[in-house]
Amino acid sequence: AQSVAQPEDQVNVAEGNPLTVKCTYSVSGNPYLFWYVQYPNRGLQFLLKYITGDNLVKGSYGFEAEFNKSQTSFHLKKPSALVSDSALYFCAVTGGGGYQKVTFGIGTKLQVIP
Amino acid sequence: EAGVTQFPSHSVIEKGQTVTLRCDPISGHDNLYWYRRVMGKEIKFLLHFVKESKQDESGMPNNRFLAERTGGTYSTLKVQPAELEDSGVYFCASSQDGGLGDTQYFGPGTRLTVL
Repeated sequence: AQSVAQPEDQVNVAEGNPLTVKCTYSVSGNPYLFWYVQYPNRGLQFLLKYITGDNLVKGSYGFEAEFNKSQTSFHLKKPSALVSDSALYFCAVTGGGGYQKVTFGIGTKLQVIP
Repeated sequence: EAGVTQFPSHSVIEKGQTVTLRCDPISGHDNLYWYRRVMGKEIKFLLHFVKESKQDESGMPNNRFLAERTGGTYSTLKVQPAELEDSGVYFCASSQDGGLGDTQYFGPGTRLTVL
C-alpha cells in the first residue's frame, strides 16, 4: 500500500521569496518519489524524481526537492519564486508492492504574488 | 519528439451517451497508463497497458469503462453509458520500460463533462 499527503491546498508566496510545497508519503518498501506540475489548461509536466542516492534532487525550472527518510517527506523547493511558477503541483509515489502504480497527492496550488 | 497526445481535449455529453477518448503515447513507449481526476480530488490510477496487454486494470471504476490498445500503439477508453459521476479529467501517460522509478509522461488530458 502507498499514499501521499499534501497538507496545504494552497501556498502563497511573494515573487523573489523562497517557496516550499510540502509532501509526505507512506509506502511499504523503498519509495520512488515524483513531482509534477500542471499549468492552467495544460497537462502534467514532470519536474523531478528521487530514486536513490543524493537526498537533494534537482529538477526543471530551478526546482529541487529534498528526500527525508526519517520524516517520510519529499518537499519541493525553489530559492526564488517567479510569477510564472504559479500552478498546481502534484507529489506522487510508487514502489509499494514492487509495482509501478503511481499514487498522487491531491495537489497544492501555488500562487506567486508579484 | 512528440509528447503524449489526447483527443478530444474536451467532451460534453448527456447522461446515457457513449464517449470514446483516445491517447497516443510517445513513440517507442510500451507502457501506457490511464488516470482520472475528479474535480478537487487526487489523480487516480485506472489501468496500465504493456504493449497491447492489460497489466493492471484494478483502478477501473466499473464495467461501463472499456480500455483497448489494439496493436500496442494508441489506446482508447470508452465510457458506455456515461453517468454524471464520470465527469472529470482523464489523463493518459506513457513510459519506456515500466520499471520502478521509470518516469511517466503525461498528455494534456481530456475534460469530460456529463450532463
